[in-house]
Amino acid sequence: EPEVTQTPSHQVTQMGQEVILRCVPISNHLYFYWYRQILGQKVEFLVSFYNNEISEKSEIFDDQFSVERPDGSNFTLKIRSTKLEDSAMYFCAMTGKKLFFGSGTQLSVL
Amino acid sequence: QKEVEQDPGPLSVPEGAIVSLNCTYSNSAFQYFMWYRQYSRKGPELLMYTYSSGNKEDGRFTAQVDKSSKYISLFIRDSQPSDSATYLCALGAGSYQLTFGKGTKLSVIP
Repeated sequence: EPEVTQTPSHQVTQMGQEVILRCVPISNHLYFYWYRQILGQKVEFLVSFYNNEISEKSEIFDDQFSVERPDGSNFTLKIRSTKLEDSAMYFCAMTGKKLFFGSGTQLSVL
Repeated sequence: QKEVEQDPGPLSVPEGAIVSLNCTYSNSAFQYFMWYRQYSRKGPELLMYTYSSGNKEDGRFTAQVDKSSKYISLFIRDSQPSDSATYLCALGAGSYQLTFGKGTKLSVIP
């Protein structure tokens, strides 16, 4: 199973601030995903990213969100102006033959 | 009608018991059926993956899919305290934009 490292493990921010969550794959994968899980709720799909482009996105992934792979290695999720309801665990995932998840970043918006 | 329904439990069983976890779904387009295990505040860990009706076995775990009834199950034999976690079913319809169940919290009592 490929290892997916996410940083930071916990991020605390003030409402309205920008945050960047990072994902570092160990092996060279092409398909990347972001999911989130609000406390006590389902894991929800946000966006998939292939060949440096968004391939699919959910209705959650609005204009406040963006993804990129700036240096060909790290995969980032940016939230431009955080809201209280953005507080959640954010999981990066990628495919080898199957979908593997990182350990997550706990985002707390105060 | 929710796309994927999963009884959230909690489910408590004695060590050595056979555990049955289930999900139902409504969308006939789902082709991939997965079970993930999630420990508290960690990323989902893939346990089983299948894309056809029938049974698939891996050690103490058996995944069962009945597409005609839109019903999937995960059986855990000889359950161990280390199996205590939340079990998530996840379904996909041609991509890894997965739809998750809410998860069943399992406790195996020594």
